[in-house]
Amino acid sequence: AQSVTQLDSHVSVSEGTPVLLRCNYSSSYSPSLFWYVQHPNKGLQLLLKYTSAATLVKGINGFEAEFKKSETSFHLTKPSAHMSDAAEYFCVVISHNFNKFYFGSGTKLNVKP
Amino acid sequence: DAGVIQSPRHEVTEMGQEVTLRCKPISGHDYLFWYRQTMMRGLELLIYFNNNVPIDDSGMPEDRFSAKMPNASFSTLKIQPSEPRDSAVYFCASSRADRDMNTEAFFGQGTRLTVV
Repeated sequence: AQSVTQLDSHVSVSEGTPVLLRCNYSSSYSPSLFWYVQHPNKGLQLLLKYTSAATLVKGINGFEAEFKKSETSFHLTKPSAHMSDAAEYFCVVISHNFNKFYFGSGTKLNVKP
Repeated sequence: DAGVIQSPRHEVTEMGQEVTLRCKPISGHDYLFWYRQTMMRGLELLIYFNNNVPIDDSGMPEDRFSAKMPNASFSTLKIQPSEPRDSAVYFCASSRADRDMNTEAFFGQGTRLTVV
């Protein structure tokens, strides 16, 4: 079975400081992992995805995530937060037959001026 | 492609009324998903289709909920009768299975349902 756990429901950072959003996964197979972002009153947008290629994945808006099998983690990072990054972020694992997406509970990122 | 299109964007209805949410997936995608998002429960997968066939409806909360996909370009989620606790944002998403395991789900903008 596949699942993801997002360790923090809320993260608050100051503008210009680093962002770390944590995600741990559980999977019986080599997982495919995603990060989606949802801005207020908007749909979900793909930030980045890992599909067993390079372990460090770069996404849009300066975000990146590193797949660490030994730690079963796929944390999302950004060197310098921007006010426009304030949103909710979801870590997602896909089932082994690539047709079912399992969402984490989400982390709300607040960026202070 | 215009992406996944959902309608209506907002729906306000009275308890007991029938509600129908609509979704047009991205052309060429063979998977379609219906999700519900609430503050209390987050994102929940209700049902998904593969090639227009319902594969897993274990997330459908009650018999009041039903979903259909009569063809590859259209799906509906119906609630009859609706109740206040059905108030949520309902998302439709589509994806395409890729032999190179390179797939992602594309989401619509959602339908915000309010049942009063």
